[in-house]
Amino acid sequence: QVQLQESGPGLVTPSETLSLTCTVSGDSVNTDSDYWAWIRQTPGRGLEWIASGHHSGKTLHNPSFKSRVNISVDASKKQISLTLTSVNAADTAVYWCARQKAALDVWGLGTTVIVS
Amino acid sequence: YVLTQPPSLSLAPGKTATLTCEGNHIGYKRVHWYQQRPGQAPRLVMYYDNDRPSGIPERFSGSNSGDTATLTVKRVEVGDEADYYCLVWDSSSDRWLFGGGTTLTVL
Repeated sequence: QVQLQESGPGLVTPSETLSLTCTVSGDSVNTDSDYWAWIRQTPGRGLEWIASGHHSGKTLHNPSFKSRVNISVDASKKQISLTLTSVNAADTAVYWCARQKAALDVWGLGTTVIVS
Repeated sequence: YVLTQPPSLSLAPGKTATLTCEGNHIGYKRVHWYQQRPGQAPRLVMYYDNDRPSGIPERFSGSNSGDTATLTVKRVEVGDEADYYCLVWDSSSDRWLFGGGTTLTVL
């Protein structure tokens, strides 16, 4: 059974860079049909897809984040990493990673990030 | 592209809940639905308009046509209380888009 576990700093200073990691167990991350996504949820903006990455290096990004986001997939470590630069209070949210097959079908438990 | 969901829906146990997600020509897109209980991650309850993941009761069904996608929950139970979100891939902007969500209350 595939499981995803997010990890992050919890608290980030404004203007700094947020780094999050998602560790996958019970599944391979280098299946060609799968992407791996990051999603966040804030009270004001609801659920928001951030980016998706593939083990081949292909990536998809939400244009709303402009050039602040980087996503990468490390198949050897079975990890998906997300960095978000120049954070501000609006980036305070719960962040999840999810497997992207037909849909975003398996989600982690999430990690809360506070920018302050 | 915008997905519009009613903010709330309340009904009695045993009734049928009809949750809608409106978008321009959404019938041409594949719609996915999520259930989110307080403090939990969203859980996929319907994909590709009307396919149920394993473990989702047959009381849940979906449809999609024209400008409206629908998630139907028959014989609602207190355990069905949650926020429900629709999700589509918008090929015009190459992004996943969520609806604003509907809070289902069973009382």
